[in-house]
Amino acid sequence: DAKTTQPPSMDCAEGRAANLPCNHSTISGNEYVYWYRQIHSQGPQYIIHGLKNNETNEMASLIITEDRKSSTLILPHATLRDTAVYYCIVRGPQGGKLIFGQGTELSVKP
Amino acid sequence: DAGVIQSPRHEVTEMGQEVTLRCKPISGHNSLFWYRQTMMRGLELLIYFNNNVPIDDSGMPEDRFSAKMPNASFSTLKIQPSEPRDSAVYFCASTVSGGAQKFFGSYNEQFFGPGTRLTVL
Repeated sequence: DAKTTQPPSMDCAEGRAANLPCNHSTISGNEYVYWYRQIHSQGPQYIIHGLKNNETNEMASLIITEDRKSSTLILPHATLRDTAVYYCIVRGPQGGKLIFGQGTELSVKP
Repeated sequence: DAGVIQSPRHEVTEMGQEVTLRCKPISGHNSLFWYRQTMMRGLELLIYFNNNVPIDDSGMPEDRFSAKMPNASFSTLKIQPSEPRDSAVYFCASTVSGGAQKFFGSYNEQFFGPGTRLTVL
């Protein structure tokens, strides 16, 4: 599975959009981009995933560049409860294990 | 749906003792994963099962660690003997994989339990 690079931390004002970047320059054609988050003291939680098209669900939007070498997770209206560590993971279509990096620690401030 | 259930939630034991962590996956899920999280190493996969069979145990630290999945609704992770460096939060996760996906419409989303916080003194 391809390696991902994320900034270690980011701040966002409550009510504003949080844009979390991820680089995955070695991603191969059949690998998906997954995002999970981990709120303090809880287990990780799935947010969204995509292959090459932009995706949106009730939690977030995922924008994947045309060359698929990077992506951005967007939380459109961040709340204090969105404060968490966000993990970007690249994984093949067969599923299996998730390899977590260090993630981005997002702090949403009032 | 109760989600993934782990027990105990907290365990404090002394070095050398045997520790058994338990996990009940979500009903209908056929893949189960054990992860360990520490400040130093982050979140790392220890072992995962598919249809009760261990598929990848390359993350198991050493022979002191063992995991079993006797049936589709129960798994254990055992540490014997335990050491202080085993102190961590242990997470169990489950998902639908392979052919079963078409019946559940899953995207291999893994559902994590609340974790067991283990402290070895």
